[in-house]
Amino acid sequence: AQKVTQAQTEISVVEKEDVTLDCVYETRDTTYYLFWYKQPPSGELVFLIRRNSFDEQNEISGRYSWNFQKSTSSFNFTITASQVVDSAVYFCALTSLYNQGGKLIFGQGTELSVKP
Amino acid sequence: DTGVSQDPRHKITKRGQNVTFRCDPISEHNRLYWYRQTLGQGPEFLTYFQNEAQLEKSRLLSDRFSAERPKGSFSTLEIQRTEQGDSAMYLCASSLEIAGYNEQFFGPGTRLTVL
Repeated sequence: AQKVTQAQTEISVVEKEDVTLDCVYETRDTTYYLFWYKQPPSGELVFLIRRNSFDEQNEISGRYSWNFQKSTSSFNFTITASQVVDSAVYFCALTSLYNQGGKLIFGQGTELSVKP
Repeated sequence: DTGVSQDPRHKITKRGQNVTFRCDPISEHNRLYWYRQTLGQGPEFLTYFQNEAQLEKSRLLSDRFSAERPKGSFSTLEIQRTEQGDSAMYLCASSLEIAGYNEQFFGPGTRLTVL
């Protein structure tokens, strides 16, 4: 079975602090995809990044960076110099090549609160 | 606006009533997904369509739930004889499946409250 665990339910930081959101996944498949989505208070899930299982290169996009480590089955997300607008619930998700429909398996989410 | 749209955004109903939600995907997308999200949890997969064909249904989708995508464009999700446990956010997503995996783009959701 596939599973995604986000152990941090809530994180609160002060603006300009760096923050890392943890994601641990379980799958028996060798080809899979990992995602991060942001859900602001408005409710709409916003796609942030996709990673496939063959690409372990870390990625940086502005203040966002992602650390994918197959050895520990983790796909962590770091926000550098956090801002109040980063306040949202963040979800990590997984799907597999063998899951032909591409349905996403989501973690429980981490609620990030950035205070001014 | 060319994103995924859902209607209504909010629905309050009494237990036992039927409700229907609509999702309009991004126009060229051939896949459409329904998820359910309860408070404090991540979205859970319900069902998906490839064009007009419903190809997979989760065990979460009881007999009271039915989904359609009659012409491979918009989709409807109907819940019959609603129960309080059906209260949740119902999310629709679409993607363009050509080869390999493509990102799912989500709509704003329909929040259902069953009294």
